[in-house]
Amino acid sequence: EAEVAQSPRYKITEKSQAVAFWCDPISGHATLYWYRQILGQGPELLVQFQDESVVDDSQLPKDRFSAERLKGVDSTLKIQPAELGDSAMYLCASSDPDRGLFEQYFGPGTRLTVT
Amino acid sequence: AQKVTQAQTEISVVEKEDVTLDCVYETRDTTYYLFWYKQPPSGELVFLIRRNSFDEQNEISGRYSWNFQKSTSSFNFTITASQVVDSAVYFCALSRTTDSWGKLQFGAGTQVVVTP
Repeated sequence: EAEVAQSPRYKITEKSQAVAFWCDPISGHATLYWYRQILGQGPELLVQFQDESVVDDSQLPKDRFSAERLKGVDSTLKIQPAELGDSAMYLCASSDPDRGLFEQYFGPGTRLTVT
Repeated sequence: AQKVTQAQTEISVVEKEDVTLDCVYETRDTTYYLFWYKQPPSGELVFLIRRNSFDEQNEISGRYSWNFQKSTSSFNFTITASQVVDSAVYFCALSRTTDSWGKLQFGAGTQVVVTP
């Protein structure tokens, strides 16, 4: 069964350092999402891509966060510089709404700890 | 604005008991999708079910069933004969059908603890 891949699974970094997360969606899924999940809360959308284009980044803190999906396949989310409040689980998901498949399939996530 | 409320923070049951999770949503859209996701301790969100707002037929899938009532904006989820492996956080989520990109609005989640 196809899965969404993410790496690394865990990341510990010091504040003010740069971190990057990688996501490879299910093959053929045109829509890719990055969510942030703070402990004890539901995930919140950071950025959404349709192919290589950003279609929603309204909740992305653009002063320190950036995301790209250059070839419309895999994606990278970067934080520079990291702050203590960025400690969270970062989840990637993909879907194929053009084929009527509105459910999103999630990867295992990257748990970030900023010290 | 859309909002999803899961009032139950945690539910503890003994194995084989039934568990019902409540979900109440708010939306101005006339058509939308509702979802339930499961998040086990490993952290990965697992898709369970999707429901279209124009289809209020309630269904059963194995040990899972759901009760969608548009009149009360509720989308409750039941696990029948719970098992220890059902221990997880369960999230209710809402997305618009007018928004073809499918952005999900999640509730805060309900922790289910099933003890032997």
